[in-house]
Amino acid sequence: DAGVIQSPRHEVTEMGQEVTLRCKPISGHNSLFWYRQTMMRGLELLIYFNNNVPIDDSGMPEDRFSAKMPNASFSTLKIQPSEPRDSAVYFCASSLEGFQPQHFGDGTRLSIL
Amino acid sequence: QKEVEQDPGPLSVPEGAIVSLNCTYSNSAFQYFMWYRQYSRKGPELLMYTYSSGNKEDGRFTAQVDKSSKYISLFIRDSQPSDSATYLCAMSDPGNTPLVFGKGTRLSVIA
Repeated sequence: DAGVIQSPRHEVTEMGQEVTLRCKPISGHNSLFWYRQTMMRGLELLIYFNNNVPIDDSGMPEDRFSAKMPNASFSTLKIQPSEPRDSAVYFCASSLEGFQPQHFGDGTRLSIL
Repeated sequence: QKEVEQDPGPLSVPEGAIVSLNCTYSNSAFQYFMWYRQYSRKGPELLMYTYSSGNKEDGRFTAQVDKSSKYISLFIRDSQPSDSATYLCAMSDPGNTPLVFGKGTRLSVIA
């Protein structure tokens, strides 16, 4: 079975540019999570969706960040405008509805110059 | 005090050693406990998960939960170089609530 698929794997862009990260969850999973991982702060939850509906976006650092889930098989995380402090690895994870362990993609390594 | 505390290491052990990785937590509502393994430049992968207190064994891996002490452990027996990775603990209270992660312990098993 295909796992969580994220694209791109790496992104390098200049400050001020728009960045869009993409995620395809595991088929049949109803919950989707976006995380950010840095050395200093570890793995932080940004937002999560249940049945395509955003449930908790309290982890989104500021209005420059937005996330959408237009259907059960696709989600995007957008940063506009991007800043150097946004540089991190961004992970998407999915799980079955209700409590289930989460399954992670391999992340997008984002560098903002 | 952070909700979940985990020693970042690094921890370096010889091949064949028994490894003990630990996390402490402050939220007594946590009921679900997980260990994830993360190789370099990869996403975390679920290794073990347990509900409430007790032990769970899977091959060379044993997960222990002591809710009275708010302490969880992962033991790796006969450690192998392929076990070299970062190990993250994660936990959650009942219901569809987000996991709370430790920052991870970096383990190196030297051949």
